[in-house]
Amino acid sequence: SQQGEEDPQALSIQEGENATMNCSYKTSINNLQWYRQNSGRGLVHLILIRSNEREKHSGRLRVTLDTSKKSSSLLITASRAADTASYFCATEEAAGNKLTFGGGTRVLVKP
Amino acid sequence: SAVISQKPSRDICQRGTSLTIQCQVDSQVTMMFWYRQQPGQSLTLIATANQGSEATYESGFVIDKFPISRPNLTFSTLTVSNMSPEDSSIYLCSVRGPTNEKLFFGSGTQLSVL
Repeated sequence: SQQGEEDPQALSIQEGENATMNCSYKTSINNLQWYRQNSGRGLVHLILIRSNEREKHSGRLRVTLDTSKKSSSLLITASRAADTASYFCATEEAAGNKLTFGGGTRVLVKP
Repeated sequence: SAVISQKPSRDICQRGTSLTIQCQVDSQVTMMFWYRQQPGQSLTLIATANQGSEATYESGFVIDKFPISRPNLTFSTLTVSNMSPEDSSIYLCSVRGPTNEKLFFGSGTQLSVL
């Protein structure tokens, strides 16, 4: 069953704007990861945040994690047309070695 | 990092036939993971392939439908057997990176069953 639920399901913004998407999960986790998928191809790892971390940055990406609310957010600043993709959160449960993916957010950045 | 070569990249198949998908990794890995992504949906783990032992299947997936081979530490195959249109999906193989945290993915196999 799906661990993570993401919202919004789809997001359309202008180039230069920020994009924010959220992920909620149900069980205790070791870490939460964000991936990008272009045009239904393989996923690319973006960023990982561990359960004892609250915020992490990587380039134009900012991830937050609130373990009390079991939620995370991904912010893409100053978006570009090349950021158009689907973004998935994935959680590694504390009890196991598997990654469980959320439903994804489709982001369209209009030039 | 790990580089994964997955093939075929896409195929169109007739119902009742089978398709074998191959994944080759550029380094030795203990576990390989096979995912299915149905149209417009997220990824669902089919099974974990371990070298030298039977694959571990997730709930809702059975070996007769999705037999997996793992002959060595760099290669695995997933077969989609007796296909029906409901099997039309993207199938993805993946492995853990050196820190055993993040996943690296093959480019996926887009399967359409008529």
